[in-house]
Amino acid sequence: AQKITQTQPGMFVQEKEAVTLDCTYDTSDQSYGLFWYKQPSSGEMIFLIYQGSYDEQNATEGRYSLNFQKARKSANLVISASQLGDSAMYFCAMRERGDSSYKLIFGSGTRLLVRP
Amino acid sequence: DAMVIQNPRYQVTQFGKPVTLSCSQTLNHNVMYWYQQKSSQAPKLLFHYYDKDFNNEADTPDNFQSRRPNTSFCFLDIRSPGLGDAAMYLCATSREGTGSYEQYFGPGTRLTVT
Repeated sequence: AQKITQTQPGMFVQEKEAVTLDCTYDTSDQSYGLFWYKQPSSGEMIFLIYQGSYDEQNATEGRYSLNFQKARKSANLVISASQLGDSAMYFCAMRERGDSSYKLIFGSGTRLLVRP
Repeated sequence: DAMVIQNPRYQVTQFGKPVTLSCSQTLNHNVMYWYQQKSSQAPKLLFHYYDKDFNNEADTPDNFQSRRPNTSFCFLDIRSPGLGDAAMYLCATSREGTGSYEQYFGPGTRLTVT
């Protein structure tokens, strides 16, 4: 069963507008963490934001915020005031306990294109 | 600046010819990971080292091996590359046990198999 689901293969947004990228997850653990990474065409994975399952406040980092709805198991990324440089692939990931340490399980990604 | 470095950034190898990709880090992180990412797909974990302990994912082919001679370096060896092994290979690090959960990624090595 897929543990991280990103239902939007591609999204468009007008420059300076806000956009929400969807992510739902599935876990039976009480303690877990959720991440969003940005991957430009050059290939590197850039960490954007982290939300712990016990965090009461939604995480924010500059123009990025995470809309965490625990009961619905969703962790949507909101990018405010989109910029042309935000055009990239965006991955949602969940930290999962492995045999000896934690590992990240990634969703299939959403390609965001910002229009001028 | 502390970082994760991968060399080379682009690697071309011939079908069946062994190839080694390298990763180094100046973060002094105790965990190092290797991911394979094929075009338009999510990164897939191949294996990781927790300190000196090697942890292989169940579905990682035997063709893929790894070495970690010290804290700073980790290598990915592909013994007999096939055309299906062409991909981006991402190295990442993390520091377990400190409450910091982020994985720091290197820029990746794009492997082409001819």
